[in-house]
Amino acid sequence: SYVLTQPSSVSVAPGRTARITCGGNNIETKSVHWYQQKPGQAPVLVVYADSARPSGIPERFSGSNSGDTATLTISRVGAGDEADYYCQVWDKTSDHSGVVFGGGTKLTVL
Amino acid sequence: QVQLQQWGAGLLKPSETLSLTCAVYGGSFSGYYWSWIRQAPGKGLEWIGEINLSGNTNFNPSLKSRVTMSVDTSKNQFSLKVKSVTAADTAVYYCAREKVDYVSFDYWGQGTLVTVSS
Repeated sequence: SYVLTQPSSVSVAPGRTARITCGGNNIETKSVHWYQQKPGQAPVLVVYADSARPSGIPERFSGSNSGDTATLTISRVGAGDEADYYCQVWDKTSDHSGVVFGGGTKLTVL
Repeated sequence: QVQLQQWGAGLLKPSETLSLTCAVYGGSFSGYYWSWIRQAPGKGLEWIGEINLSGNTNFNPSLKSRVTMSVDTSKNQFSLKVKSVTAADTAVYYCAREKVDYVSFDYWGQGTLVTVSS
C-alpha cells in the first residue's frame, strides 16, 4: 500500500515561514490534501488538490507538489497555527482504492 | 451550512459491536461519498471506509472483514458498525463528507470517543 512520510515535528519562530513536507513515491502524480488539527478538535481542510484553498482559509496557507515530495507552506506563522498537520491522498491500485493519511506533523511556534 | 452530527455508544467491552450514526444537516445528501475516519489516542488519522447514497462501499483492507456501513436516505444519515472490537479499536471516530471533485474531506463531525475495555 502507498505510504506517506511526514516529519514528526517542525518548529518555527513567530512571523517566519513553516514548511511541512509529505513524502511519497512519485507523489506528484497524485492530488495531495492537507488538514490542520488542534487539540480536541476535528481536522480542518486547509489545502486541497495540491495548492487550492477552501473558502475561509487564509492565503498564508499554500501547497506545492513535485517529484516525491508535497509541501505545505505557512507564511507569517502565529501562535494560532500551532497544531498537528496531516497530508492525505487517494491511492488507486490494481485491486484496491482508498484514502491514505500521512503520520502527521506537530507544528510548534517558538 | 453543512453540519454533521454523530452519536453512538462510547464504552464497549471486547468482542462487542461498535455502532455509530452520522446525520447530515444543511446540505445535499446525494452526490457525495461519506466516510468514517478514526484516531487512536495520541495517534494519527486512519480512514475506515466510505459509502454513497446508493449504498456503494469501499473499505480500508485492514478493517474490511469487521466493518459494515449503511445509509438511510430518508433521514440523511449513514452508519458504521465494527464487530468484534478489541482495545486496539479505542479511538475517536469521525464522520466526514468527501468533496465531489477530489477525495478530500471538507466537512467533519464532532467526533465520538469509543473506548473498548473489559
